[in-house]
Amino acid sequence: AQTVTQSQPEMSVQEAETVTLSCTYDTSESDYYLFWYKQPPSRQMILVIRQEAYKQQNATENRFSVNFQKAAKSFSLKISDSQLGDAAMYFCAYRLINYGGSQGNLIFGKGTKLSVKP
Amino acid sequence: DTEVTQTPKHLVMGMTNKKSLKCEQHMGHRAMYWYKQKAKKPPELMFVYSYEKLSINESVPSRFSPECPNSSLLNLHLHALQPEDSALYLCASSQDLGGYNEQFFGPGTRLTVL
Repeated sequence: AQTVTQSQPEMSVQEAETVTLSCTYDTSESDYYLFWYKQPPSRQMILVIRQEAYKQQNATENRFSVNFQKAAKSFSLKISDSQLGDAAMYFCAYRLINYGGSQGNLIFGKGTKLSVKP
Repeated sequence: DTEVTQTPKHLVMGMTNKKSLKCEQHMGHRAMYWYKQKAKKPPELMFVYSYEKLSINESVPSRFSPECPNSSLLNLHLHALQPEDSALYLCASSQDLGGYNEQFFGPGTRLTVL
């Protein structure tokens, strides 16, 4: 069974600084996708960034980038120039490629609560 | 329009009540999901609908009954719930069940069972 582990329950970063959130996962599959979702307090969960396992190049979205190490099964999120609005719970998630079956499940880690200090 | 809406925002119900949660999206998505999220925990998948057919039921108790009347609507009917069912219920949708597709989440319904 696939599992996703986020070893940092809470992290804190100073505004304008850089922070890295860790995520590791366990799978025997070779084709899958990885995601980082952000859930601000009392607000909707939104997708931050995603990575296809077959792509070696790390995904980037503005201030957000990932360090994807497939062999190590590691998928960390780097947030540069942190802003107050980045304060949220961040969930790392894994999902199999769907071949038309019913494997639609996102498997989430337990989350990392990020605080941003002004 | 990239929005998933959920009503009501809050719901308090007794253990003998029957209530329904509603979810709506107008993005043309053909996959819709119900998740349950307890405080400080990740969402747990309950049901998945694909093209209005129930695709996945994660062994959820029968006191939760999903319904997908059309491709834009997803309901969750609640009956004889227990206090431990109190949680945030999230609806999500995606283009289809393809693994790469982003799931768009609604704001959730915060349910309290007395």
